[in-house]
Formats: sequence, C-alpha cells, structure tokens
Amino acid sequence: SQTIHQWPATLVQPVGSPLSLECTVEGTSNPNLYWYRQAAGRGLQLLFYSVGIGQISSEVPQNLSASRPQDRQFILSSKKLLLSDSGFYLCAWSSGQGYSPLHFGNGTRLTVT
Amino acid sequence: RKEVEQDPGPFNVPEGATVAFNCTYSNSASQSFFWYRQDCRKEPKLLMSVYSSGNEDGRFTAQLNRASQYISLLIRDSKLSDSATYLCVVPNAGKSTFGDGTTLTVKP
Repeated sequence: SQTIHQWPATLVQPVGSPLSLECTVEGTSNPNLYWYRQAAGRGLQLLFYSVGIGQISSEVPQNLSASRPQDRQFILSSKKLLLSDSGFYLCAWSSGQGYSPLHFGNGTRLTVT
Repeated sequence: RKEVEQDPGPFNVPEGATVAFNCTYSNSASQSFFWYRQDCRKEPKLLMSVYSSGNEDGRFTAQLNRASQYISLLIRDSKLSDSATYLCVVPNAGKSTFGDGTTLTVKP
C-alpha cells in the first residue's frame, strides 16, 4: 500500500532563517506531488505541484521554492522566512491518472517568530 | 467567482439530525469530485468520491448536479464523531482546488 511521510511535525523558526520541509512517498511510482499551505482558520492554498522529477509548477509567487530531486521526494524550501509563512504545510500525492484523489501527509505546523 | 464555493457554516446540529452541505464549482468540464473531512489541526482525509450522479456510503450520501454545477453531502443520523470541517474538492488538469470548508459541530 502507498504511504506518505512528511517531517518535521512541528517547527518554530525565527524570521530570516532558512526552511526545508521534506516529503516522501512509498508504494507508488511517478506520483503527482503537491505542497499546500493552510493558514489558521482558512482553506488550503496550493503552493507547488509536480508531475515528474525536476518538473515544478508554482501557483503563488512568494519566497518559497520546491524541488523534486527523486521520483518520490518533494522538498519545500525558503532562504529567508517571513512571519506570514507561518501555517500548516501539507504534502500530498495522487496517482496522476485521470481525476484521482489526493492523499495527504500528516502535515508540518510551522511557526515563524 | 471562486472556483469552488461552500456553505461557510458553521452548522450546529443535535445528535441524530440530518445535515446537508452544498458546494458549487465553476469549471463545467470537471469530471470528478471529492469530499474530504478535516479534524482540528489534522490533515484532510478522503471521505467520498463522486464520479457520476452520486455515491452513498452508510450514513453519507454525495450527490452531483452537473446542470447546476453543484455537489452536496448529506449526513444522516449525525454522531458526535462527525464533528469536523468538510472540504469540497474539484480536480482539474492535475491540480485540485479546495473549497474553504464547512464546519460541523454535532452536540449531544
């Protein structure tokens, strides 16, 4: 069966510090991968999605970036965090076949202080 | 107009009640739809998929009206454990757009 791992679960970082969140998927190949952010009390905002290694689409201009160095690995990064980067970051995968549902990792709760 | 719009809620209902949420979407080409459940401070989890006119799973029924471009989620015999936020999701071209969610609180 397919599983998705996301870490860390919680993170507190000072403004201006770098960020690296990692997500890996097991049990499937060539998945579509996604990064979403959810601000407190708000809906999910799509940040990045990837349909293959090295292929990244950005949905919202910001100081975040994403990379997909391996088929089942998706990394979210920032060189300098802003207070507004605080939120709940969710990695997800889908099979990429037709209109298939997303499956989420447990999420990372990021607080920028 | 947002791509996906949901009843903002919150819905506060007693145990045993029947409650329905609506979700409208703007892309008439959308072929499938999903309802997710999100508990407080947790990740969303897939509740139901809707590929044709509707789907039923126990106390939960999802219906699709393509002409009016909306889907609904009906919960019968509400349980305390149904308290959560329900998210409507519309996939399109490899991406999925989420509604802002409808919060349900079931009270004893």
